Amino acid sequence: DGGITQSPKYLFRKEGQNVTLSCEQNLNHDAMYWYRQDPGQGLRLIYYSQIVNDFQKGDIAEGYSVSREKKESFPLTVTSAQKNPTAFYLCASSIYSTERAQFFGPGTRLTVL
Amino acid sequence: KQEVTQIPAALSVPEGENLVLNCSFTDSAIYNLQWFRQDPGKGLTSLLLIQSSQREQTSGRLNASLDKSSGRSTLYIAASQPGDSATYLCAVLAGGTSYGKLTFGQGTILTVHP
Repeated sequence: DGGITQSPKYLFRKEGQNVTLSCEQNLNHDAMYWYRQDPGQGLRLIYYSQIVNDFQKGDIAEGYSVSREKKESFPLTVTSAQKNPTAFYLCASSIYSTERAQFFGPGTRLTVL
Repeated sequence: KQEVTQIPAALSVPEGENLVLNCSFTDSAIYNLQWFRQDPGKGLTSLLLIQSSQREQTSGRLNASLDKSSGRSTLYIAASQPGDSATYLCAVLAGGTSYGKLTFGQGTILTVHP
């Protein structure tokens, strides 16, 4: 069953802690993305990766870090430097094609206590 | 900087009505435009994708149009049903070297009541 999985679905973090959100895809897609969604706002791009061992900052990368050691995995770490991390985080992937459609995972809701 | 605006922010209609959701963008140098559906607390489901060279795409009761020169797209939903209730998001993919950079609108919250 092909798709994008994100875990956990809900995550709670104490202030000052780093947490890592998981994103895995078995679609054999080349590119992967992390977006953040806040209430009443559209999605904003945090980081994206076009190939293994390479990634670029999006519009709101401060306080976040990523790695891309495997094609199918693109974990996001929310560090203590991120001042307002409570949000809904969405991972997406796409394949190099004429269409370049992006497909999304189910999301992780992060709450800072 | 690309900006995407969706109007209206919310829409409530009775079942069976045909409706139109609007999306506008400021930079016409786009690669494509996607319409997504999002149910509460869930991820995004891709509905339709229109390439910059295309004028419209259709899937079932959905029809999306694109007028790149004026920076507008519309999503037409025919014979609306309560199951269509969701947030609808449009997003444009930048052309050129900004591979993968989708810019989203804030969404239209649609409620279809029986």
